[in-house]
Amino acid sequence: NAGVTQTPKFRILKIGQSMTLQCTQDMNHNYMYWYRQDPGMGLKLIYYSVGAGITDKGEVPNGYNVSRSTTEDFPLRLELAAPSQTSVYFCASSQLSTGELFFGEGSRLTVL
Amino acid sequence: DAKTTQPPSMDCAEGRAANLPCNHSTISGNEYVYWYRQIHSQGPQYIIHGLKNNETNEMASLIITEDRKSSTLILPHATLRDTAVYYCIAPTGTASKLTFGTGTRLQVTL
Repeated sequence: NAGVTQTPKFRILKIGQSMTLQCTQDMNHNYMYWYRQDPGMGLKLIYYSVGAGITDKGEVPNGYNVSRSTTEDFPLRLELAAPSQTSVYFCASSQLSTGELFFGEGSRLTVL
Repeated sequence: DAKTTQPPSMDCAEGRAANLPCNHSTISGNEYVYWYRQIHSQGPQYIIHGLKNNETNEMASLIITEDRKSSTLILPHATLRDTAVYYCIAPTGTASKLTFGTGTRLQVTL
């Protein structure tokens, strides 16, 4: 039982490049989330999903896209990377009735 | 969106109780209050959640006021390993939209 798995763990991008952060969970959770955390700051919700085929914007969705074609996977797409997107990205999943978010180990992204 | 207010930092002596307050005056009637903590740059760790009644588990106790506008997380015997940033989450209107506030940085000292 791996829980929530994020890849890659580290990535350096050039300005204007695109990439996808992968997130998969094996707990059959309906709810999945993407957060970003800038140095010394709290977590900001980017996008979330309450089930396959359903996604919603969070607090800071601009510059990102998501899809949820399966229960297990919730990839985060960065188009036209900018230095402001340098951050640590956390994916999480939950079966909301239990109240517990399970987090991945994070993906550290640097845009130069 | 959720709106919570927490003190930015608190200190606690090891072995003493740490009482971490959170104001969530805009919480919806049926939404839970959740508490998480983050140690260094790890992913946040779930601590406890509650609706109306006080809750206790092996990690902490949660006291929610009767009007549900505020809550207090209690770590009964703080240790150095409890040094972390503690976040209170109180959804408003959309139960699944879980947003973190700025949190309280708890420093446990000898």
